[in-house]
Amino acid sequence: DTAVSQTPKYLVTQMGNDKSIKCEQNLGHDTMYWYKQDSKKFLKIMFSYNNKELIINETVPNRFSPKSPDKAHLNLHINSLELGDSAVYFCASTLGLGGYTFGSGTRLTVV
Amino acid sequence: GQQLNQSPQSMFIQEGEDVSMNCTSSSIFNTWLWYKQDPGEGPVLLIALYKAGELTSNGRLTAQFGITRKDSFLNISASIPSDVGIYFCAGRSRLSNFGNEKLTFGTGTRLTIIP
Repeated sequence: DTAVSQTPKYLVTQMGNDKSIKCEQNLGHDTMYWYKQDSKKFLKIMFSYNNKELIINETVPNRFSPKSPDKAHLNLHINSLELGDSAVYFCASTLGLGGYTFGSGTRLTVV
Repeated sequence: GQQLNQSPQSMFIQEGEDVSMNCTSSSIFNTWLWYKQDPGEGPVLLIALYKAGELTSNGRLTAQFGITRKDSFLNISASIPSDVGIYFCAGRSRLSNFGNEKLTFGTGTRLTIIP
């Protein structure tokens, strides 16, 4: 009965590979987000989707491509992974002006 | 872009002490929120503030939305071991297209309780 669930929790991969992270929320929220948390714990927004429509794209390299098949899911695909992509990626969702609910994160390590 | 400066960056306190941290911004926010992050988990909402000047409590936590809408503080009274973690402020700003907004996070305050 997890509210916002992300898979996988950990992802270790080599440079140049392509990988995907999945996110699902069962809260009935209409907006979903991807945030990146770096090694200094700074949280920065990457994308937001409202009812499957891309709303925010915060100057993220186009190697990152979000996809929202329906308003309960927001996946993140990353092409040609680089060392600097190593971080913890958080999915979040909200309804209207309510607080964001975050998933437990996906720790991506690029070697 | 908007920046949220949070201080202090870290705190080392003894159990039972009160804690105070604050967040300042170069621009105005419509809403201030405070989150706590435990290791290996995502941030969890503690308190939300919706009006300038608003003072809100949640158990031992008290937070205020600054009158200028550019700052907020969080106080924790009588700290206990489970208060350990990273605390983030976050400001919500409305984008130009109606109904859409984003949260900008502060730099975080790491709270450690010394035995």
